[in-house]
Formats: sequence, C-alpha cells, structure tokens
Amino acid sequence: DTGVSQDPRHKITKRGQNVTFRCDPISEHNRLYWYRQTLGQGPEFLTYFQNEAQLEKSRLLSDRFSAERPKGSFSTLEIQRTEQGDSAMYLCASSFPRGSGSRSEQFFGPGTRLTVL
Amino acid sequence: DQQVKQNSPSLSVQEGRISILNCDYTNSMFDYFLWYKKYPAEGPTFLISISSIKDKNEDGRFTVFLNKSAKHLSLHIVPSQPGDSAVYFCAASWNQGGKLIFGQGTELSVKP
Repeated sequence: DTGVSQDPRHKITKRGQNVTFRCDPISEHNRLYWYRQTLGQGPEFLTYFQNEAQLEKSRLLSDRFSAERPKGSFSTLEIQRTEQGDSAMYLCASSFPRGSGSRSEQFFGPGTRLTVL
Repeated sequence: DQQVKQNSPSLSVQEGRISILNCDYTNSMFDYFLWYKKYPAEGPTFLISISSIKDKNEDGRFTVFLNKSAKHLSLHIVPSQPGDSAVYFCAASWNQGGKLIFGQGTELSVKP
C-alpha cells in the first residue's frame, strides 16, 4: 500500500472560482477525514466519513464547502466561490475505527496547498 | 477555545541529549492522545499514542507520559538526532469519536 494520496498537491485559483480536491485513503481503512491547516496552527478538523456516510461536520465547514465519499473509497472536497481566507493546506487522513480491534491512528496524506488570489 | 495547547512554539536541543515536548489539554473527556511529526510540505506522520488508561507508552527512542490529574502529556526523545528536527503536534480524541483535536505545534531543532 502506498499510503494516503491527495491530488492536486498545489492549487492556485482566483477568488470566486470553485475548486475540488481528491483524496485516496489507505484501501483497508473505512474512515476518512478532512482537516485544514493554516500557518502556525495545528490541523483543524473539517469532516469525516465512515464508509460512504458522513458522520460529523465541523462548524468550520460553511455552506460553500461540500465533501463526498460516494462509494466508500476516495473522497472529494469542493469549495465553491473561494475566498482569500480559504487559503490553507487541506489534509486528508484515513484510519480504522477505534475499538475495531485494529490500530486506529490516523495516517495523513501530503496535503493540497490552496492559494486564493 | 483551544482544548489542546502546546505552549512552546520552539525547542532547541543538542544532538544526543533528551528532547522533552509538552502538551496540555482542558477537556477531561479526552481518552486517547497521539503525537505526530511534520516536515515542511508533507502531511503529519504518526509517532506514538497513549490511551488514558495508561500513564506511559514507549516505542524505541520515543516515550509518551500522561498525567491525567494535571491534564498534561509529554513526549521524550532520547537520544535526540538531527533527523528529529521537525514540527511536533500533540492531538487528542474521545470515546469512539473520529476527529482529532490538535495543538499548535512545537518546532524542534536538534543541533549536531
């Protein structure tokens, strides 16, 4: 297994444009998470899925943000009408659920760096 | 409301000595704690974790200590190596919940 992958690694867009990021988790993991990290801060939770079900969304996830995991495998995060404040590193992670009998630490991808001009 | 805090933004240590990174938390519901290491332009890499039923967990050069009464955990790296230079994040979660709450990070510099 090659780990969690994210695409693209970098995205530069103009304010008001829509962007979509993709995350491919570790194949055996049924949990998938999205986080956002800004300079000098730790990652902040956005949302997570167990299989295809979205189980929790942060209040950071405004109406302009939508995440999907249609077949319980890869996930997409879309930001509509981007704003300069959306500039950040968007991180994806995957894991087994806690209490599943498997190790449950989250494994992170390399992130997508978004710059909104 | 910063539920997980790392009050030292940076730490400098000589190679071969011990590095001690600290983390405080406020939410008594947290029952699982983790440390991650992050290099620039990469995602965080898992280092070590500890459940709230334990007070110590060791993995090679890395040991995590948990003091529940003080709501404090620490990561010890012995001996420190230049390759350990990175930003270290502590994180916490609770129950069967999925999300991790991260601290702000501590940048460790290990000098040869």
